[in-house]
Amino acid sequence: SYELTQSPSVSVSPGQTASITCSGDKLGGKYVHWYQQRPGQSPVLVIYQDFKRPSGLPERFSGSSSGNTATLTISGTQAMDEADYYCQAWDSSTVVFGGGTKLTVL
Amino acid sequence: VQLVESGGGLVQPGGSLRLSCAASGFTFNTFWMTWVRQAPGKGLEWVANIKQGGSDKYYVDSVRGRFTISRDNARNSLYLQMTSLRAEDTAVYYCARGADRIIGGFGHLDNWGQGTLVTVSS
Repeated sequence: SYELTQSPSVSVSPGQTASITCSGDKLGGKYVHWYQQRPGQSPVLVIYQDFKRPSGLPERFSGSSSGNTATLTISGTQAMDEADYYCQAWDSSTVVFGGGTKLTVL
Repeated sequence: VQLVESGGGLVQPGGSLRLSCAASGFTFNTFWMTWVRQAPGKGLEWVANIKQGGSDKYYVDSVRGRFTISRDNARNSLYLQMTSLRAEDTAVYYCARGADRIIGGFGHLDNWGQGTLVTVSS
């Protein structure tokens, strides 16, 4: 079965750039989507189809994908960005989520 | 867009439960719908997808044959009938809308409900 791998945790200082990666076999050939989940809340879509941003999402969120890795980048990270982030793709009629990355804003 | 889940609760192993998701604010019958679950302290896990008309359904291997996804477009409602429940089914269950008009629930999920907690325990 297809798997998406994320680092368990990433730390960043306020105002700096955070990069969260998601890896999977030939992932660059698939659409990757990203969700933010703050503690006690439902997931929120932050990037879809590799790099598109839903309306209303701050421009500091961006995405890219190439080869076997997709990356969610948060520029000028703010305290409110502290959350769990999940990547998602699909393969063989199955939706797959990465294990999630906890972003800590120190 | 609003998605409101209900029907969660405490159930014994081997028992059954039916979850509902009431949708509003969009044309329900034009979107795929999806159930995603999250075990306590764990990550997201896709459970099932259903196409607009309800004819095509897809499941994660661990629930196939035990869970049934369905929808009532006249009532703008999504359902998940869960049988033969196990301890490992304990999770918050979210319903979500599949935003991609072509691949629906296999694409991005642009709106999520608040979730309903299912606890399987004796």
